[in-house]
Amino acid sequence: AAGVIQSPRHLIKEKRETATLKCYPIPRHDTVYWYQQGPGQDPQFLISFYEKMQSDKGSIPDRFSAQQFSDYHSELNMSSLELGDSALYFCASSPYLAEQYFGPGTRLTVT
Amino acid sequence: AQSVTQLGSHVSVSEGALVLLRCNYSSSVPPYLFWYVQYPNQGLQLLLKYTTGATLVKGINGFEAEFKKSETSFHLTKPSAHMSDAAEYFCACSTQGGSEKLVFGKGTKLTVNP
Repeated sequence: AAGVIQSPRHLIKEKRETATLKCYPIPRHDTVYWYQQGPGQDPQFLISFYEKMQSDKGSIPDRFSAQQFSDYHSELNMSSLELGDSALYFCASSPYLAEQYFGPGTRLTVT
Repeated sequence: AQSVTQLGSHVSVSEGALVLLRCNYSSSVPPYLFWYVQYPNQGLQLLLKYTTGATLVKGINGFEAEFKKSETSFHLTKPSAHMSDAAEYFCACSTQGGSEKLVFGKGTKLTVNP
């Protein structure tokens, strides 16, 4: 069965650089979520999209932005990276009103 | 606002022993509850979910959980632990079957000893 695809799987950036994370949801899933999991932490909700419109927003820094495109894939853009942004970033997708399926994550390291 | 509390950040059991991972929730509306498992350097895999109906839910890999409204609990159990069960387990809740953001507990790391 198809799963959520995230790219890249690993990313190393320096402070103040920009990063773009991509998420390709399971086919026919119309909702995408982004979560951030710091080292030894639980996943924290960042933002979600339903049918290409932002549906909810969590504790996402102003330096971050995201969008969902017409083919339902989503991108998380992160600017002015800080050391504290080092984390595992998960994308999840779901059909409307159903459980979320998570991708393998992108491990971002900021040096 | 919703919150999830997992009692015990680390649980250690012997192979073949009962696994019990505790989860309590707080929600002002009927919650939807989930257990996810995370193996090292991997994503989150859904073990089981409670939305409505039967309060005892069965999941993959022999796990099950029981929703107890009176105790605001959703504990995860498995009768006999296997070495492959060693992982981190997260309890999570939402308000609409998962289509809203998930609120996670802090996680419980399960160690299985031979």
